[in-house]
Order: sequence, then C-alpha cells, then structure tokens
Amino acid sequence: DIQMTQSPSSLSASVGDTVTITCRASQNVNNYLNWYQHKPGKAPRLLIYAASNLQSGVPSGFSGSGSGTDFTLTISSLQPEDFATYYCQQSFSTPWTFGQGTKVEI
Amino acid sequence: EVQLLESGGGLVQPGVSLRLSCAASGFTFSTYAMSWVRQAPGKGLEWVSLISSSGGNIYYADSVKGRFTISRDNSKNTLYLQMNSLRAEDTAIYYCAKVPIAVAGKPHDYWGQGTLVTVSS
Repeated sequence: DIQMTQSPSSLSASVGDTVTITCRASQNVNNYLNWYQHKPGKAPRLLIYAASNLQSGVPSGFSGSGSGTDFTLTISSLQPEDFATYYCQQSFSTPWTFGQGTKVEI
Repeated sequence: EVQLLESGGGLVQPGVSLRLSCAASGFTFSTYAMSWVRQAPGKGLEWVSLISSSGGNIYYADSVKGRFTISRDNSKNTLYLQMNSLRAEDTAIYYCAKVPIAVAGKPHDYWGQGTLVTVSS
C-alpha cells in the first residue's frame, strides 16, 4: 500500500499569512494526488486535483504543486474561513490512501 | 446541483450487519464511479471502497475486505454499502463521494454530509 505522510500535523497562522503543507508518498504516484479541506460537521471539499489543478469554485488563493512523491499545498493570504483540516490523497493505485491530515488554526 | 444523501447509519452491537445507502441526484449517476470514505472519531479520512460506473470493478481497503460489500443500483441512482460483522473500530462517519475516473487525478469531487455508524455493546 502507498503511505501518504503530511507535515506538519498542525500549524497556527494569522490572517493574511501564506501557509504551506507538504505531502510525501511512499512511492511514485505520478500526479494522482488530490487535496481536500474538511471542516467539523461538514462534507469534505475538493480543492486541488491532479496535484496542481484548482477545482471549480475554489478561491485562487489555493494552489498545489509537485509530482512523483513530493507535493505541496499552498494557501496564500489566509482567511478566517480557511480554518480547517487539510488532507492529501492518492488515486494512483488501490487501496487509495489519505494523509493523516494537517489542522490549520487561525 | 449535485447532491449525495447518505442514510442507514445508527447504533448497533458488535457482530451485526448494517446497510448504508447514498441517494444521488443532479448528475448522470450511471456514468460515474463512486466511493465510500469514513472518518472515525478524532481520526482522519480513510478510504473504504470504490465501485466503477457499471459495478463491474470493485475495490476495498484491507480493513473491510471480506466484511463489507459495495454495490449500486443505477436504475435507482443509489449506492450501497453492506457492512457485516461490524466491529468497534468501524465506528465512524461514512461519506459517499462521486469519482470522475476520466478526470486527471481521479478525485472525489462531490461528497455527501455523511451518516454516523456507532458499533458498541
């Protein structure tokens, strides 16, 4: 199985900051890497698909990069509504796997 | 508007069975793969199972293989998860999600609100 490791597990930031979350796969997943935002009591929300493609309706302050085994989610100019947990997920091979999550506290 | 509505969760004892349903609307259900993903209390997201648009290809996480069965009824626009031999560690919120396999990255692009399954004696 492909293991997904995110860092950090949590972070504190201020409104307006730029935040970077990294995700490392235990083996090459090409660009089959997606990022999600999850708030308590809500459905998870797709932010970035195929490593760097912004999902429709997602603010342009979110961006993704990387390929192979190392990926990054960047949130530019953090907003209060960005308080959430963020997950990476690989769809390269089954069983599909998620990272353990990164909790962003404002 | 895409809508996914899960149902069927509840409090059950260890060892019993439960069937979850996910009613889909707002898209052509029969042309999309579908997934179940769960979140145990205080834990992260865990992928559970995937079914192709026709139901001909099915995949499971090792943690549920042999106990859970994913299926779909394209005439009813409904996804199912039959859960047998439930264990305490299956306690979680279960989400269904739409998966456009033809899209790069094969992401879960829409999710339901989830249904809570609690396994406890």
